Parts: sequence; structure tokens; C-alpha cells
Amino acid sequence: GQSLEQPSEVTAVEGAIVQINCTYQTSGFYGLSWYQQHDGGAPTFLSYNALDGLEETGRFSSFLSRSDSYGYLLLQELQMKDSASYFCAVKNQAGTALIFGKGTTLSVSS
Amino acid sequence: DTGVSQNPRHKITKRGQNVTFRCDPISEHNRLYWYRQTLGQGPEFLTYFQNEAQLEKSRLLSDRFSAERPKGSFSTLEIQRTEQGDSAMYLCASSPGTSYEQYFGPGTRLTVT
Repeated sequence: GQSLEQPSEVTAVEGAIVQINCTYQTSGFYGLSWYQQHDGGAPTFLSYNALDGLEETGRFSSFLSRSDSYGYLLLQELQMKDSASYFCAVKNQAGTALIFGKGTTLSVSS
Repeated sequence: DTGVSQNPRHKITKRGQNVTFRCDPISEHNRLYWYRQTLGQGPEFLTYFQNEAQLEKSRLLSDRFSAERPKGSFSTLEIQRTEQGDSAMYLCASSPGTSYEQYFGPGTRLTVT
């Protein structure tokens, strides 16, 4: 089956850099995705890694190491609006639906 | 592109009642997913449609739950004989083809009293 582990909480100050780690176990791997969810809001897609390495999208970057079954989301130049929950996700065995981790709550303070 | 919409946004019902939720996906998306999310957890997959065909159902989807997607457009999720454990946010998502990105709606928050 599929399972993902990520820290439950991370705190940081504005302007800082934070890394949210995710380790996964899957019986078939179709890539690692990251989603952001503000309180009361819908999950929104941030990034996707199918191959090893770093993908950069503005202030956010995501890294994948398939040999280690590990990835991370890197958030730079943190802003208050980045306070949210961040979920890593992999596709299920059928390669259709997403299996999410329990999420990491990021709190950014001034 | 108006995004994924869901109705109602909130539903309070008494235990034992039936409820139905609606999801309107992004119009050109042929894949539609239902998830359930409880406080402090990530979304959990319930069921998946490709066009009008329901291709996958999670073990979470007990026989009290039924979902449809007539004509491959909007979808409905019905819960019969609701239980307090059904209280959760019910999220709908859609995606085009084999895209890795899923677009989520705002969800329907169900409270069973």
C-alpha cells in the first residue's frame, strides 16, 4: 500500500527559508506532488516531481530522490500568506487518485 | 474557466437522514474524484470517475455511499442513513486526461448531529 510521512508542524519567521520533508512508501510510483491548503480553503497544486532533482517555481522548490523515497518542499522568502497546511501526495496503485500525507502546518510569524 | 464548484457549501443534518452533494467540475475535465477530509488529516480518496464511468471506489466508500456522474458532466455523492462519523469536508476534484494536477473545489462541510 501507500503511506507518506511528513512533520506535523513547522514554524518560521517572515523572510526565512523552510523545508518540509516527506518520505513515502508506494507499491508503484508515479511522482510526488505537493498541495497547499489554507484554513477553510481547497487544496491547490504547488508542484510535481516525477524524476530525481529539484524543480523550481518562483519562491517554491520541490526535490525528489526516488532511491531514498524522499522529497521535500522548500519555501523561500517566507510571507505571512504562506501560513497554511502543506501536503505531499502520491498516486495510488492504479495511478489515478491521490494518496495524501497528514499534512504539515506552517506558521509564519513577523 | 470558472473552476470546480460544489453545492451546498455547508450541510447540517440529523443522524439517519440522507444527504446529497453536487460537484460541477471544470468543463473540459474528463476525470472526477471525490475525497473526504477530517480535521488535521489529508484528503482521503473515496471514488473516481472517468467520463460517466465510475472506475474506482475506496474501501472507505461503504454501501451507504453512492456516487454518480450522468453524462460525464456534474457528479453527485449521496450518503444514506448518515452517522456522526460521516461529519467531514467532502471535496471534489477534476483533472484533464492523465494530468498529474488535480483541481479541487471548495468542498461541502457536512455536520451530522
